[in-house]
Amino acid sequence: TQLLEQSPQFLSIQEGENLTVYCNSSSVFSSLQWYRQEPGEGPVLLVTVVTGGEVKKLKRLTFQFGDARKDSSLHITAAQPGDTGLYLCAGGDFNKFYFGSGTKLNVKP
Amino acid sequence: SQTIHQWPATLVQPVGSPLSLECTVEGTSNPNLYWYRQAAGRGLQLLFYSVGIGQISSEVPQNLSASRPQDRQFILSSKKLLLSDSGFYLCAWSASDREAFFGQGTRLTVV
Repeated sequence: TQLLEQSPQFLSIQEGENLTVYCNSSSVFSSLQWYRQEPGEGPVLLVTVVTGGEVKKLKRLTFQFGDARKDSSLHITAAQPGDTGLYLCAGGDFNKFYFGSGTKLNVKP
Repeated sequence: SQTIHQWPATLVQPVGSPLSLECTVEGTSNPNLYWYRQAAGRGLQLLFYSVGIGQISSEVPQNLSASRPQDRQFILSSKKLLLSDSGFYLCAWSASDREAFFGQGTRLTVV
């Protein structure tokens, strides 16, 4: 079984604060993705990382992929209420995607 | 551009009744197709995936089955629903293992 663990499970912060969420895997995947999901909707892809040590930035979001390609982090700078949602990491391997348990983020105005 | 349609959006079914959820993809050929189930506010559990017509792989033994009668159509079925089948069901497609695109989901409540 390929397992991805995310932490923290829940995070409630004030607007303007910074935060980091983590994703750790028991396996090496060919790629790792981060998705954001709003209630009642399907997840939407934020970024895909492939190379160990890779860093990608998407506006206020910074994604890092560990050198061993088994861990990843998502850092949000100056969080906004619009960032509220469920953040999911997923490992891609042989045309399958395995998801972590998610981090539920609430950004209070 | 590619789109994915999943229906119905919500469904309330009695225990023991059959189930059929349908998913179709437009704008691409020979996609990989997936069915996931999600518990409230939690991660996604891969139920079935398919790399081609008639090719179905099951990840988790359960009361459900899947079929792919056409290239861009994926169906999730059950002959007799259990209470434990309640959940949020998501269909997805991909062209590689680098990104998956999801439908809007079906909220299934078994009563």
